[in-house]
Amino acid sequence: KQEVTQIPAALSVPEGENLVLNCSFTDSAIYNLQWFRQDPGKGLTSLLLIQSSQREQTSGRLNASLDKSSGRSTLYIAASQPGDSATYLCAVKFTGGGNKLTFGTGTQLKVEL
Amino acid sequence: GAGVSQSPRYKVAKRGQDVALRCDPISGHVSLFWYQQALGQGPEFLTYFQNEAQLDKSGLPSDRFFAERPEGSVSTLKIQRTQQEDSAVYLCASSLDAGTGHGQYFGPGTRLTVT
Repeated sequence: KQEVTQIPAALSVPEGENLVLNCSFTDSAIYNLQWFRQDPGKGLTSLLLIQSSQREQTSGRLNASLDKSSGRSTLYIAASQPGDSATYLCAVKFTGGGNKLTFGTGTQLKVEL
Repeated sequence: GAGVSQSPRYKVAKRGQDVALRCDPISGHVSLFWYQQALGQGPEFLTYFQNEAQLDKSGLPSDRFFAERPEGSVSTLKIQRTQQEDSAVYLCASSLDAGTGHGQYFGPGTRLTVT
């Protein structure tokens, strides 16, 4: 079964700290992987999209890496700020799984002053 | 530009009522998806359209759920005879063309509460 797992489920860090969120997937045959941010009561905001042929993508303080062979992706957030507090979701489009995204359960991040 | 919009944002239905949820995708996006998100969980796929064609409805939980996109733009998700377990946030996403690797962009969701 094609599944996506995110660890940890929750994370609390002081402002200014660099942090890494982890995503693992059970099948290395993926088309692409997308990281999202979800604020309470809101929809999903797309952060980064990595195609299967890419190793990483960067946007501002965010960097996402992809290692298909080990079934892992990481989202690195540099110099965290209280405004980064949200739930971060990893979603995979598996090859042969149609065009749908399979989501992890998310990591709830709190950045404290 | 305008993103994906959904209406209503909140819906309270009594058990047994029918509901209709609307999604307006980003203009020009040919792919449209519906997902269901339970509290504390990631979204779960329901169904997928490419233009007006419903290509995948494998995630619809029962025959009470029905989706349509008759003109290849606006989509409606209908739930008949709502049950308490249908309470969730229903998210719509669109993509320029999901079949060619473009990302999906989500609307704010409709929170459905069945009492």
